[in-house]
Amino acid sequence: EAGVTQFPSHSVIEKGQTVTLRCDPISGHDNLYWYRRVMGKEIKFLLHFVKESKQDESGMPNNRFLAERTGGTYSTLKVQPAELEDSGVYFCASSQGGTASRVYTFGSGTRLTVV
Amino acid sequence: SQQGEEDPQALSIQEGENATMNCSYKTSINNLQWYRQNSGRGLVHLILIRSNEREKHSGRLRVTLDTSKKSSSLLITASRAADTASYFCGGSGGSNYKLTFGKGTLLTVNP
Repeated sequence: EAGVTQFPSHSVIEKGQTVTLRCDPISGHDNLYWYRRVMGKEIKFLLHFVKESKQDESGMPNNRFLAERTGGTYSTLKVQPAELEDSGVYFCASSQGGTASRVYTFGSGTRLTVV
Repeated sequence: SQQGEEDPQALSIQEGENATMNCSYKTSINNLQWYRQNSGRGLVHLILIRSNEREKHSGRLRVTLDTSKKSSSLLITASRAADTASYFCGGSGGSNYKLTFGKGTLLTVNP
């Protein structure tokens, strides 16, 4: 079974530019989560999709962040325009529906550096 | 609000020793999970303990949960150099199974 795939693995952009991160969850997983870890701090929840619907986006920092999940398959997270404080590692995770939703499978993350 | 807060932030031990990491959380949970992250990789699920359980074992791992103190501990016995990683606890208290993590404990096992 293929795992959760994220790309790019690294991205370095200038302040004010746009970056789009992509996550391909495990096939058949209804739940998709985005998390971010800023260096030395906690892994912070951003949002949760159930299939194509946003279940919880309470962790999204501001309206510069836009997440989509087309057809309930892969998801993108766009940052526009990027700011210095957006630097960090962005993780995507997926889980099955129902009671199996508890255990997440994480991708390797995208390390975003805004300069 | 931060659900999981690990302690200590960093731990360095010799191979063969036991490693104990603690986690505290603030709100009620349905379950608490421990994950490991090796450098440059994603988090890997280690073990899940439900709120009605007090202790759980998986191989060299032993997890305890004290809901009255809102705390959990992860014990790794007979540590190996390959156990070197960051360890995170995450609590889930809602129906959407959202996990809330802490800052993690960086464990270094010296050969």
